Amino acid sequence: DSGVTQTPKHLITATGQRVTLRCSPRSGDLSVYWYQQSLDQGLQFLIQYYNGEERAKGNILERFSAQQFPDLHSELNLSSLELGDSALYFCASSGREQFFGPGTRLTVL
Amino acid sequence: AQSVTQLDSQVPVFEEAPVELRCNYSSSVSVYLFWYVQYPNQGLQLLLKYLSGSTLVKGINGFEAEFNKSQTSFHLRKPSVHISDTAEYFCAVSRGLSGGSNYKLTFGKGTLLTVNP
Repeated sequence: DSGVTQTPKHLITATGQRVTLRCSPRSGDLSVYWYQQSLDQGLQFLIQYYNGEERAKGNILERFSAQQFPDLHSELNLSSLELGDSALYFCASSGREQFFGPGTRLTVL
Repeated sequence: AQSVTQLDSQVPVFEEAPVELRCNYSSSVSVYLFWYVQYPNQGLQLLLKYLSGSTLVKGINGFEAEFNKSQTSFHLRKPSVHISDTAEYFCAVSRGLSGGSNYKLTFGKGTLLTVNP
């Protein structure tokens, strides 16, 4: 158990819909990183928040957004979903050494 | 920017045989290096890391890796594998000593290790 929690574990939705993925970092960790794992793109960094502020952006689509709340949990919002958004979404916390949550498997039908 | 190349997409081996999973990286700045393991339908678990110091690092489950700066490599080794080591292994790199708080990981495409009886 990494100490990072993610909900929900699975999400099935339709094209055009919007979903929210939630992540709680390890106790005391200020950073949250979001990653996407898909068959064609592999594991890709999406975005990082540090103590409530966006710190770095990777290959994140404009339809996707994230935020980190005062209690340090983070949410990744995915809108206008397309079939190609089907993937595993991971969050990770800590700094130099990242601990990953179990992931949310998103299926867009 | 950093990049990671895992030279083998699949490595089949027999139980109790030694294994080496190869990883090369590219970076214009100092780096931190990691190996993660992903079992089927699970998340990523940190196997080992190189941050600084000794270039030979030991991790969990009997794995070790050697950081070779001149060859920009960070190969993962295990002297004797078990059936339970069957999984996908990812090499990753982050910017080292960034002076800030951004340690985003760049991953290789993964190596599927299959251990056969």
